[in-house]
Amino acid sequence: EVQLVESGGGLVQPGRSLRLSCAASGFTLDDYAMHWVRQAPGRGLEWVSTISWRSDTIAYADSVKGRFTISRDNAKNSLYLQMNSLRPEDTALYYCGKDKSPKGYFDYGVDVWGQGTTVTVSS
Amino acid sequence: DIQMTQSPSSVSASVGDTVTITCRASQGIGTWLAWYQQKPGKAPKLLIYATSSLQTGVPSRFSGSRSGTDFTLTISSLQPEDFATYYCQQTHSGPTFGGGTKVEIK
Repeated sequence: EVQLVESGGGLVQPGRSLRLSCAASGFTLDDYAMHWVRQAPGRGLEWVSTISWRSDTIAYADSVKGRFTISRDNAKNSLYLQMNSLRPEDTALYYCGKDKSPKGYFDYGVDVWGQGTTVTVSS
Repeated sequence: DIQMTQSPSSVSASVGDTVTITCRASQGIGTWLAWYQQKPGKAPKLLIYATSSLQTGVPSRFSGSRSGTDFTLTISSLQPEDFATYYCQQTHSGPTFGGGTKVEIK
């Protein structure tokens, strides 16, 4: 079964850091671009970041650029999101997602999603 | 950045109705558009990709179309399990989402 499981969320003070992880199983992570998408409480979906299957192309939403870093370790079947200088507006449920197309780059959307991990930024 | 304007923000409908949801892109995105369904407390689910291609396992009552920079998701013969929130996402560049449309029971 293709599955993604996020972890690493929690309550953190403004200005601090947090690292999210996403463990993949049931497919070859190497072949797919991966994404982070977040959803603030009661709000819509917001794309956060994407990393290509070879890690040679990375993109960030303007709202997190310069503060968040996406990375992957294909040998560990894992995706990461390092979040620095966190702000209250970063409070959200963070989903990792698998790109639909092998060796693509978000062309056809996200076809597998994790259950999400909650990040709360508050003093 | 490409903006996606989704309408309506909510719609009330009955089982058996046809529901139409629209997304307008702020610039040309070709056919690079996907639609998702999200139910409360659940992760989104991919319904349609590349404007009109149905994701595996999605019922054929869901369909997508395009006219220029306007994209439409049509749900024919609405079923009880279709009451949810729907999002479009442009996958052309810096993949932005529309604001969502909540389909509610009339």
